[in-house]
Amino acid sequence: AQSVTQLGSHVSVSEGALVLLRCNYSSSVPPYLFWYVQYPNQGLQLLLKYTSAATLVKGINGFEAEFKKSETSFHLTKPSAHMSDAAEYFCAVRIPGGNKLTFGTGTQLKVEL
Amino acid sequence: DAGVIQSPRHEVTEMGQEVTLRCKPISGHDYLFWYRQTMMRGLELLIYFNNNVPIDDSGMPEDRFSAKMPNASFSTLKIQPSEPRDSAVYFCASSLGFGGTDTQYFGPGTRLTVL
Repeated sequence: AQSVTQLGSHVSVSEGALVLLRCNYSSSVPPYLFWYVQYPNQGLQLLLKYTSAATLVKGINGFEAEFKKSETSFHLTKPSAHMSDAAEYFCAVRIPGGNKLTFGTGTQLKVEL
Repeated sequence: DAGVIQSPRHEVTEMGQEVTLRCKPISGHDYLFWYRQTMMRGLELLIYFNNNVPIDDSGMPEDRFSAKMPNASFSTLKIQPSEPRDSAVYFCASSLGFGGTDTQYFGPGTRLTVL
């Protein structure tokens, strides 16, 4: 069965600093990977997804993630954090041919002045 | 499109009462999902429908939970009787397909508190 592990349930960065949210996956085959963001009192919104077309994926709001098979990772990054990035971020995995989306436990990002 | 619509946004009820959560998926989407989010268990898939037919309800915690989709534009999740441990945020999501790179679109959620 596929799974994802998000290291760090809470991450705090200064405004303007690099954002790095970690996600490692476990899958018997190269999976499809997703990052979702959840703003307070809202539903999950897709940030970006890896579909095997390119290992570096660019998403909305300046976020990007790189699929690294050798490290089984799909970390989310943003060069410069903004106050509006404060939210909870979820990594999710689905295997090709499968259907269920398996979510990680989430990482709460705090952006400080 | 207005996105996935859920109602109510907040529900407070007393233990033993019936609770009904409602969802309107994005028009044209063939799949509808109900999720539950709690601090302890994270985001869990409860049930999903394809073309109004329940496909997998293995995530439904107990017989107290039931879900229906009478037509392509409406679904309900019912809890009867409700218990304090049912307190959570319940999300509805919809997608064109289910699998591969299909994107699920989430509603804003219903925050349920059972006293």
